Amino acid sequence: AQSVTQPDIHITVSEGASLELRCNYSYGATPYLFWYVQSPGQGLQLLLKYFSGDTLVQGIKGFEAEFKRSQSSFNLRKPSVHWSDAAEYFCAVEGRGSTLGRLYFGRGTQLTVWP
Amino acid sequence: SQTIHQWPATLVQPVGSPLSLECTVEGTSNPNLYWYRQAAGRGLQLLFYSVGIGQISSEVPQNLSASRPQDRQFILSSKKLLLSDSGFYLCALKLTDREDPLHFGNGTRLTVT
Repeated sequence: AQSVTQPDIHITVSEGASLELRCNYSYGATPYLFWYVQSPGQGLQLLLKYFSGDTLVQGIKGFEAEFKRSQSSFNLRKPSVHWSDAAEYFCAVEGRGSTLGRLYFGRGTQLTVWP
Repeated sequence: SQTIHQWPATLVQPVGSPLSLECTVEGTSNPNLYWYRQAAGRGLQLLFYSVGIGQISSEVPQNLSASRPQDRQFILSSKKLLLSDSGFYLCALKLTDREDPLHFGNGTRLTVT
């Protein structure tokens, strides 16, 4: 069965510092991969997605993520964090084929940004 | 582009009362529709999904139900709410294109007292 692990529940960084949020997945083949961001009381906004092709994907708000098949990872990065990036971040996978449209989410990583 | 409307935004209901949460979409036709729940301190759990009118699949046994009376309308219901039904309920849609991601509405915060 598919599963997603986000090992860091809470991360604190200073504004302007670099950021990496970890995501590992368990799936029998290469899944579709996503990162979403959620501000308090809001729905989830898609940051970026990986379906195929280049393993380094660019998203909105200056975020990028790299798919590493050998490590079953899809870590999210940003070179310089802004205070407005404080939010909760969710990694998700979607199986190809029969589970199309059914996403499996990690538990989320809460990001705090110090001024 | 597609838009997802959810209402109400917040809701406080007593235990044992009924529930009806509505989700409507605009800007697309025949989407797949989903209800997710986010409980405090937990990730997102898929409750129901629908690939068309009247077609509902349930992911977990519970006292909730879902219906899709129209192509762009998805309703989450309960006859008698439990305390454990409290949470943040998110409606989502996915176009039938395989490489379209899931799009979420702004959610309904339900507190059962």
